[in-house]
Amino acid sequence: KQEVTQIPAALSVPEGENLVLNCSFTDSAIYNLQWFRQDPGKGLTSLLLIQSSQREQTSGRLNASLDKSSGRSTLYIAASQPGDSATYLCAVPSTGANNLFFGTGTRLTVIP
Amino acid sequence: DAGVTQSPTHLIKTRGQHVTLRCSPISGHKSVSWYQQVLGQGPQFIFQYYEKEERGRGNFPDRFSARQFPNYSSELNVNALLLGDSALYLCASSLAKGVGGYTFGSGTRLTVV
Repeated sequence: KQEVTQIPAALSVPEGENLVLNCSFTDSAIYNLQWFRQDPGKGLTSLLLIQSSQREQTSGRLNASLDKSSGRSTLYIAASQPGDSATYLCAVPSTGANNLFFGTGTRLTVIP
Repeated sequence: DAGVTQSPTHLIKTRGQHVTLRCSPISGHKSVSWYQQVLGQGPQFIFQYYEKEERGRGNFPDRFSARQFPNYSSELNVNALLLGDSALYLCASSLAKGVGGYTFGSGTRLTVV
């Protein structure tokens, strides 16, 4: 069974700082990995989708990397802003099926 | 284009009652999945439907059921509600069983009292 771990569980940084969120998964036989953002009580907003053949994906100030062999992904946020405050979730497909396994997320607070 | 739409937004039910949640996928998407998210946890997979057939089921009791209609919209039904069913229920659509990633709706907040 696929297991996903996200570290740290919570992170508080001053505005303008660069930061890295980590995601690890136990089964490397995945075909993609997706990073989501969730505001309190809201649904999930997709940030980046990395296919298994890719090593990086970028969108604006966000950069996600994927190392399938080691079962790790990182989400890099440059020049953080208070509006980046949210919970960030990574998700991977389960082995032999197509549903997603999620980590418990990293709760990010950016202090003005 | 409209995103994934879910209704209702919020719902309060009494223990033992039945509830139906609805989801409309993005136009052109044929796969709909349902997830349950309790406070402080990541979403947990309940069902996946593709082309109106059940293609996957998570570890949830038989009180949970779902179906997909010819227009690819979907309903999630929960019978005999328990307090522990209180959660955010999320619907996700994709082109075909995860191809191209998943797009989630805003969710339905279910409170069982």
